[in-house]
Amino acid sequence: AQSVAQPEDQVNVAEGNPLTVKCTYSVSGNPYLFWYVQYPNRGLQFLLKYITGDNLVKGSYGFEAEFNKSQTSFHLKKPSALVSDSALYFCAVREGSDYKLSFGAGTTVTVRA
Amino acid sequence: GAGVSQSPRYKVAKRGQDVALRCDPISGHVSLFWYQQALGQGPEFLTYFQNEAQLDKSGLPSDRFFAERPEGSVSTLKIQRTQQEDSAVYLCASSLGAPGGGTYEQYFGPGTRLTVT
Repeated sequence: AQSVAQPEDQVNVAEGNPLTVKCTYSVSGNPYLFWYVQYPNRGLQFLLKYITGDNLVKGSYGFEAEFNKSQTSFHLKKPSALVSDSALYFCAVREGSDYKLSFGAGTTVTVRA
Repeated sequence: GAGVSQSPRYKVAKRGQDVALRCDPISGHVSLFWYQQALGQGPEFLTYFQNEAQLDKSGLPSDRFFAERPEGSVSTLKIQRTQQEDSAVYLCASSLGAPGGGTYEQYFGPGTRLTVT
């Protein structure tokens, strides 16, 4: 079985400050990890993924994520947040040989001007 | 380029009615997925197609839910005799290849918000 935990329902930061959204996962095999962002009344937009290789993955809109195997974590980060980053963020995992994505419950990010 | 599209975007159904939700995946994408997203939750897997073959329907909540992709492109999710607990956003996603053989991400449509009254 595979699962994802996003321990924070909400994250609030000031514009220009660093942003971190936490994610931990559980899979029985090799994890494929993904971050998606959802804006109101829109579908999920792909941000980045970790499959293998460098633990630091860079994605769209200046976001990056760090894979930590020992802590089974895949935290999303952005060095300097923008008001336009305010949205709902989902972490997802699937086992390498599987096709189902398992999503966390989501973290609402609010960036104040 | 064109992304995944879904129609209708919003659907209100009276309890007991049948509904059909349509998904147009990205052209050429082999894999197609349906997810159900309840309010305040992450998406939950419903079913998976590889081309026209439905390889997994383990997430369908009941036998009132039925999905098809007869020509390996457009897919329809049908819900018979809708119940209030079916109210949710239904998301369709597609990916380029078969997941077991690659590292492809899934691209999501905007979803259909179903409200059963």
